[in-house]
Amino acid sequence: DAKTTQPPSMDCAEGRAANLPCNHSTISGNEYVYWYRQIHSQGPQYIIHGLKNNETNEMASLIITEDRKSSTLILPHATLRDTAVYYCIVRGDRGSTLGRLYFGRGTQLTVWP
Amino acid sequence: NAGVTQTPKFRVLKTGQSMTLLCAQDMNHEYMYWYRQDPGMGLRLIHYSVGEGTTAKGEVPDGYNVSRLKKQNFLLGLESAAPSQTSVYFCASRRIGQGGETQYFGPGTRLLVL
Repeated sequence: DAKTTQPPSMDCAEGRAANLPCNHSTISGNEYVYWYRQIHSQGPQYIIHGLKNNETNEMASLIITEDRKSSTLILPHATLRDTAVYYCIVRGDRGSTLGRLYFGRGTQLTVWP
Repeated sequence: NAGVTQTPKFRVLKTGQSMTLLCAQDMNHEYMYWYRQDPGMGLRLIHYSVGEGTTAKGEVPDGYNVSRLKKQNFLLGLESAAPSQTSVYFCASRRIGQGGETQYFGPGTRLLVL
């Protein structure tokens, strides 16, 4: 099972920043936090990941708290095409190389005009 | 670079029929995965492969078989389809690098078993 907690749904106005929270209080020191999203009827899409430091790419920013027990995904200027289910994932195989991703329920982000 | 592709995109089967789902990736990844997704649920791992010629069971392997004869292809077979196998099937491949990893997913195969 997934080891993260996310709100089931969030709304955001188009053009505004979307801040999606995630709690992962049992994360171990060598585990990464990954964010994926799934737009309706499509395959999941990788967004960003991080270990300790804040990360930014062309899609989003990831803010990880200093104790690493929670993180926030930020979409700086949300568009209608960002409406999707967002998954916060901690790599589920401690010490193994399987790389199996545990997808929980995620957060349904709805961006409205 | 096509990434991960899946064929077919959609299929309707009758109970007891067999079929094979094909997944192909052109990124030279060793790891490949088959997941299924049912309405309102997350993805569940069916089978996976850590390299050419190797396969292993995931959390819901019953009723499915897989083969990885070539590195770029990962086949998922249903020998005798059942209505409970109605689902959307996603294939993924995994890139491992310094500082984490990334999984790339295909567009999915929608299977309806009557």
